[in-house]
Amino acid sequence: DTGVSQDPRHKITKRGQNVTFRCDPISEHNRLYWYRQTLGQGPEFLTYFQNEAQLEKSRLLSDRFSAERPKGSFSTLEIQRTEQGDSAMYLCASSVKYEQYFGPGTRLTVT
Amino acid sequence: KNQVEQSPQSLIILEGKNCTLQCNYTVSPFSNLRWYKQDTGRGPVSLTIMTFSENTKSNGRYTATLDADTKQSSLHITASQLSDSASYICVVSPAYSGAGSYQLTFGKGTKLSVIP
Repeated sequence: DTGVSQDPRHKITKRGQNVTFRCDPISEHNRLYWYRQTLGQGPEFLTYFQNEAQLEKSRLLSDRFSAERPKGSFSTLEIQRTEQGDSAMYLCASSVKYEQYFGPGTRLTVT
Repeated sequence: KNQVEQSPQSLIILEGKNCTLQCNYTVSPFSNLRWYKQDTGRGPVSLTIMTFSENTKSNGRYTATLDADTKQSSLHITASQLSDSASYICVVSPAYSGAGSYQLTFGKGTKLSVIP
């Protein structure tokens, strides 16, 4: 499968714990995006990488959130001190130009 | 503020029937408009992408139209199938800002249910 992959697919954690998600983009896609999607809503932009450089961050990305793409390939999204409001689907997408290809998402549930 | 509004919020149709989903946007300047299909619990999958100069684009039974003057788009699904049951999301991309921004504005989606 050469599509965007995300791991884990589901994560249940207790409030206050830290969680980390991984995204592996399509090979040779230099652009990578993270989105958050809550039930009944469209995805909301979180952050964007071009190669290893994080070029844009949404105001939704509080200081508890950090994203990295150390070698310009896979990316990680970490949430520290999780809150119940962080419960959502976290989507990763990659692209060469306009066409963004989405991964299956990581469903986070904070109890 | 850039916004994308979709209607209806949800729709139930019989298998084999046609339907049309609507999208109004206020994103300006505008680069392109996309329609995505999202199955429950899955990531969105692209159906069509149109630049501001295109009026229509088809992908099998899916046909998207765009009126950049009125800032409206529609997605027409022909001869619906049970597998068409999903959320259909309209997504608008602002014109490239030169700052590396590829931020998309998503609508909330139309939840389509196709029943036998």
